[in-house]
Amino acid sequence: EDQVTQSPEALRLQEGESSSLNCSYTVSGLRGLFWYRQDPGKGPEFLFTLYSAGEEKEKERLKATLTKKESFLHITAPKPEDSATYLCAVQAPGANNLFFGTGTRLTVIP
Amino acid sequence: SQTIHQWPATLVQPVGSPLSLECTVEGTSNPNLYWYRQAAGRGLQLLFYSIGIGQISSEVPQNLSASRPQDRQFILSSKKLLLSDSGFYLCAWSWGAREAFFGQGTRLTVV
Repeated sequence: EDQVTQSPEALRLQEGESSSLNCSYTVSGLRGLFWYRQDPGKGPEFLFTLYSAGEEKEKERLKATLTKKESFLHITAPKPEDSATYLCAVQAPGANNLFFGTGTRLTVIP
Repeated sequence: SQTIHQWPATLVQPVGSPLSLECTVEGTSNPNLYWYRQAAGRGLQLLFYSIGIGQISSEVPQNLSASRPQDRQFILSSKKLLLSDSGFYLCAWSWGAREAFFGQGTRLTVV
């Protein structure tokens, strides 16, 4: 059964304290891995798509990496405005939809 | 550019009442369309998806139904709401099997 597990469930960082969020998956023949940011009461906002092991994508203070079993979202020198829930999703072969993890709730303290 | 509109933003409905949530996409044609539900502390659960007009696939048997009367319009409905239908409902679109883009969601509270 395809599964996506995100850790930690919640993370509190001081402003400027870099860290990483983890997304581990069990999908045979991964078609794509996706990262989203979700603010409270809002819909998820697309961040990155990763397709193959070794691939990396960057956007401002965020960098996403992918291996054959997991993906990391690295946050460098975070700011309070980076506080949000970060969701990971995978797409299996032949699937039309994304399968989501439960997310990591990030709080950056000034 | 493409935009997705979803309404209403919040809705409070009594048990047993009907439901209709609407979602429209602008700036693209023949998108894949999706309805997800998000419960507190849980991941997004796919309810329905559609790859074309009149083509609806249901992922979870439940009290809800979906319709796609036009290429860029997706509607989520219920004839009689249950307390368990409360949640945050999200519409999304994608170009085929690629990243999905979400609307702002509808917070439904069934009382």
